[in-house]
Amino acid sequence: DAKTTQPTSMDCAEGRAANLPCNHSTISGNEYVYWYRQIHSQGPQYIIHGLKNNETNEMASLIITEDRKSSTLILPHATLRDTAVYYCILMKTSYDKVIFGPGTSLSVIP
Amino acid sequence: DADVTQTPRNRITKTGKRIMLECSQTKGHDRMYWYRQDPGLGLRLIYYSFDVKDINKGEISDGYSVSRQAQAKFSLSLESAIPNQTALYFCATSDTTEAFFGQGTRLTVV
Repeated sequence: DAKTTQPTSMDCAEGRAANLPCNHSTISGNEYVYWYRQIHSQGPQYIIHGLKNNETNEMASLIITEDRKSSTLILPHATLRDTAVYYCILMKTSYDKVIFGPGTSLSVIP
Repeated sequence: DADVTQTPRNRITKTGKRIMLECSQTKGHDRMYWYRQDPGLGLRLIYYSFDVKDINKGEISDGYSVSRQAQAKFSLSLESAIPNQTALYFCATSDTTEAFFGQGTRLTVV
């Protein structure tokens, strides 16, 4: 499976945008970039995914570089409830045998 | 009701005992998964099933077995529990694009 690399941890001030980077330099043409998050040992929660174009939903925005070798998850107005571990994962068209890496631990600070 | 329900939520068992963790889902999806998570690490895939007649080993299947009793039910068994199987266990179900996770079972083997 193609690998992703993420910073181990990040801080963000409450109310500010949180920008979480992910590098995936060996991504294949048919692999999507997915983001999940896990809040304090709860089950992971889907956030967003994309292939080439930038995507936005009610939770976040996903910016994928033109060469698709990296991406950024943006939480536009971080709240304390966004404190979690965020996982960047590559997947083909279907959810399939996903193994989660260590992710980025985001702390939102009052 | 939760989309994915795991029972029990917490369990303490003794070394050598057989234990079963149960999972049921109401999403109507064919695919189901079992993961374990150790402190500070991401989720590792134990077994997965793409339909009732399909069972596949994941990354760390040794010491575990599974049973897919119905589309909605997928159970994980530890035939002879050992202390290094102490972990947080997650069940998940997915369609082709998104996975839904249970709240986890915290298992301690003493």
